[in-house]
Amino acid sequence: GAVVSQHPSRVICKSGTSVKIECRSLDFQATTMFWYRQFPKQSLMLMATSNEGSKATYEQGVEKDKFLINHASLTLSTLTVTSAHPEDSSFYICSATKSGGAGELFFGEGSRLTVL
Amino acid sequence: GDSVTQMEGPVTLSEEAFLTINCTYTATGYPSLFWYVQYPGEGLQLLLKATKADDKGSNKGFEATYRKETTSFHLEKGSVQVSDSAVYFCALTANTGGFKTIFGAGTRLFVKA
Repeated sequence: GAVVSQHPSRVICKSGTSVKIECRSLDFQATTMFWYRQFPKQSLMLMATSNEGSKATYEQGVEKDKFLINHASLTLSTLTVTSAHPEDSSFYICSATKSGGAGELFFGEGSRLTVL
Repeated sequence: GDSVTQMEGPVTLSEEAFLTINCTYTATGYPSLFWYVQYPGEGLQLLLKATKADDKGSNKGFEATYRKETTSFHLEKGSVQVSDSAVYFCALTANTGGFKTIFGAGTRLFVKA
């Protein structure tokens, strides 16, 4: 199997605080993980590609100081939304690929962030 | 650049109806093609895949064939169920020194009992 677990599934925070979302590959090593943001009734927007042991690669228009990504081990990547504001409210989804595969993505359950 | 275009929804069908969701792509090289499904309130999960021309991916009664000549990967199911109600995403993954996945906009399917 290829299970990816994301935590927390829901988080509500006050404006100005920081929130950390964890993404873990439970039964495989993920050298690369991806973070997406999904707006209501829309497709997934790739935010960044996270490589174990190196800096994340951010997509154009994504603020790297706002969305801090750390991929400290082969099974864990974290996304920290710093100084969150209501416009950061969204559904954040992580995914990972397995080495030797065809590039299929295995997704976490998603984390719904609501900033008050 | 690479892109994926899929039919706009929502698509509303009665139970046991035939389903087709069209998907076409543009890509340099030879991408792998995927359909992912997102059930309400959940993350995405892989539904089926095809890695080369003329391959047919299938799972849970769904099928899609990688057509290089028409650059298409249409999703079909002969008889849908209420439990198939979800959003379906067509995607391609190109290996350009690292995998990068491009998603279509998604098609929402409603199946009525």
